[in-house]
Amino acid sequence: DADVTQTPRNRITKTGKRIMLECSQTKGHDRMYWYRQDPGLGLRLIYYSFDVKDINKGEISDGYSVSRQAQAKFSLSLESAIPNQTALYFCATSDLKEPKDEQFFGPGTRLTVL
Amino acid sequence: SQKIEQNSEALNIQEGKTATLTCNYTNYSPAYLQWYRQDPGRGPVFLLLIRENEKEKRKERLKVTFDTTLKQSLFHITASQPADSATYLCALDMASGTYKYIFGTGTRLKVLA
Repeated sequence: DADVTQTPRNRITKTGKRIMLECSQTKGHDRMYWYRQDPGLGLRLIYYSFDVKDINKGEISDGYSVSRQAQAKFSLSLESAIPNQTALYFCATSDLKEPKDEQFFGPGTRLTVL
Repeated sequence: SQKIEQNSEALNIQEGKTATLTCNYTNYSPAYLQWYRQDPGRGPVFLLLIRENEKEKRKERLKVTFDTTLKQSLFHITASQPADSATYLCALDMASGTYKYIFGTGTRLKVLA
């Protein structure tokens, strides 16, 4: 089984709808991240969390919110989706004790907002 | 503002040659620099990390250099193979100890058989 899973893998929604993207991990890592990837813009950090009680904004948090329900689960919500939030979304984890600071990415969620 | 640049043009090389990808940055001083590989439709996969006090790091056919004076990292794949075809991303930590990374846009490498 994959260590970092994301659901759904693909989602098409309409402008104004509220949607939630979910991320689960079995790696036991404390740190979790949400990124979006757009052609020509690369990966950009939306939110990150270093433990269940710690939530921080990234570069582009406007229009998004997150919830860290447990060490293993980190959800990203779009309160009112708009077309420019169409992108590929990735969840990632890393281990506080790992000196390489390697991030493990999930398979991604392709979101289309019409 | 902090900025990372990777060559947006795709790099095509012949099998067996050495591929060299560049990552340039401005306006900050990262303590760590990472390289990732990303295949179409998949999440990035970590390859190597190099620290600011390290000039070079190797792993099998991969070599990374980090020149903090030039603000540049070079990523080399020796004896390249068609299976090395992918997009390669560099990532730099925003500030030492923050564990937050800025990613470059990536360079697409195609190794021709």
